[in-house]
Amino acid sequence: DIQMTQSPASLSASLEEIVTITCQASQDIGNWLAWYQQKPGKSPQLLIYGATSLADGVPSRFSGSRSGTQYSLKISRLQVEDIGIYYCQQASSAPYTFGAGTKLELK
Amino acid sequence: EVQLVESGGGLVQPGRSMKLSCAASGFTFNNYDMAWVCQAPKKGLEWVATISYDGSSTYYRDSVKGRFTISRDNAKSTLYLQMDSLRSEDTATYYCARHRYPGICFDYWGQGVMVTVSS
Repeated sequence: DIQMTQSPASLSASLEEIVTITCQASQDIGNWLAWYQQKPGKSPQLLIYGATSLADGVPSRFSGSRSGTQYSLKISRLQVEDIGIYYCQQASSAPYTFGAGTKLELK
Repeated sequence: EVQLVESGGGLVQPGRSMKLSCAASGFTFNNYDMAWVCQAPKKGLEWVATISYDGSSTYYRDSVKGRFTISRDNAKSTLYLQMDSLRSEDTATYYCARHRYPGICFDYWGQGVMVTVSS
């Protein structure tokens, strides 16, 4: 199975701050990487697919990038509504594994 | 508007069975692969199973192979998960999710249904 190592596990940041979350794949997954946001008590929401493509309706302050087998999610100016848990997911091969999640809180 | 509405969860004893349903609307159901993803209490997300758009192919995570069966009724726009020989470690919220086309990620999710396996 492909392992997705996500870091950090938790993150505290201030409003308008730049936030970066990373995921390291255990093997080559190309651009088959997605990012999700899950707000407390809610279902996950797709943010990024294909490592860098913004899903419909997602604010442009979210962006994704790739360097080899390391993937990053960047929030350019943190807003209150961005608080939640973020997960990466590899979509290269079954089982479609997720990272352990990053809990993002306001400082 | 795409909607996925799960039903059928609840409390079940270990070793027993339960069947989840997911009613889909707002899109052409038989054009999309569909999946179940679970989340144990206070834990992360785990993909459970996927079924192709026409039901001809199914895929499962190892821990549920031989116990869970994913199926669909395209005439009713409904996805199912038959869960047999349930174990305490199957306790989780189960989400119905649509596979994004093209791609394997999940672009729409249901609200989730809780399954608790306990005596």
